[in-house]
Amino acid sequence: NAGVTQTPKFQVLKTGQSMTLQCAQDMNHNSMYWYRQDPGMGLRLIYYSASEGTTDKGEVPNGYNVSRLNKREFSLRLESAAPSQTSVYFCASRRALNTEAFFGQGTRLTVV
Amino acid sequence: GNSVTQMEGPVTLSEEAFLTINCTYTATGYPSLFWYVQYPGEGLQLLLKATKADDKGSNKGFEATYRKETTSFHLEKGSVQVSDSAVYFCALSSGAGSYQLTFGKGTKLSVIP
Repeated sequence: NAGVTQTPKFQVLKTGQSMTLQCAQDMNHNSMYWYRQDPGMGLRLIYYSASEGTTDKGEVPNGYNVSRLNKREFSLRLESAAPSQTSVYFCASRRALNTEAFFGQGTRLTVV
Repeated sequence: GNSVTQMEGPVTLSEEAFLTINCTYTATGYPSLFWYVQYPGEGLQLLLKATKADDKGSNKGFEATYRKETTSFHLEKGSVQVSDSAVYFCALSSGAGSYQLTFGKGTKLSVIP
């Protein structure tokens, strides 16, 4: 029962570096999501993919890009990391509208 | 747009005390409502849910009732344990063609022996 798997778990980047956060789910879910969690801010939606082949912006998309590689995988890319992107990033998936989401364990990213 | 407002934390209770965490929402259509729990260093996991008005979700001694007239989904537990210490998030999914899942800011609960 792997569920939602995120890699890496921890990452330190220098300002201006790029990286891709990987997410894969094995539950055959249609929708996938990327959130960031910051103290006092709760979870804010960065991007989501309602189904394979589609992606849409969420509340805080600036500085990020995403790719829905196939039904299982949804990656988040930081092209030029900034200290403001220091956060914990969570990937989630769900089967359909109004069903619960399942979350990965998170990636703790620090940009120095 | 959709929004979720939950009570500010942190909340500190003694073991066996009664817990209430308030949650109110604004949404179009007929949303589904969720409570998630996050233990230290982990991702969020579903605690309970309700999909229509007057539904009561329950799990592990926690309960919440979907009140459409007051747009609320308050979380309650009659007797908390130290193991309930975590951050609790209220969330909604509005349906109506929207795939977004909107979260409140979270309430940190600490239960002391």
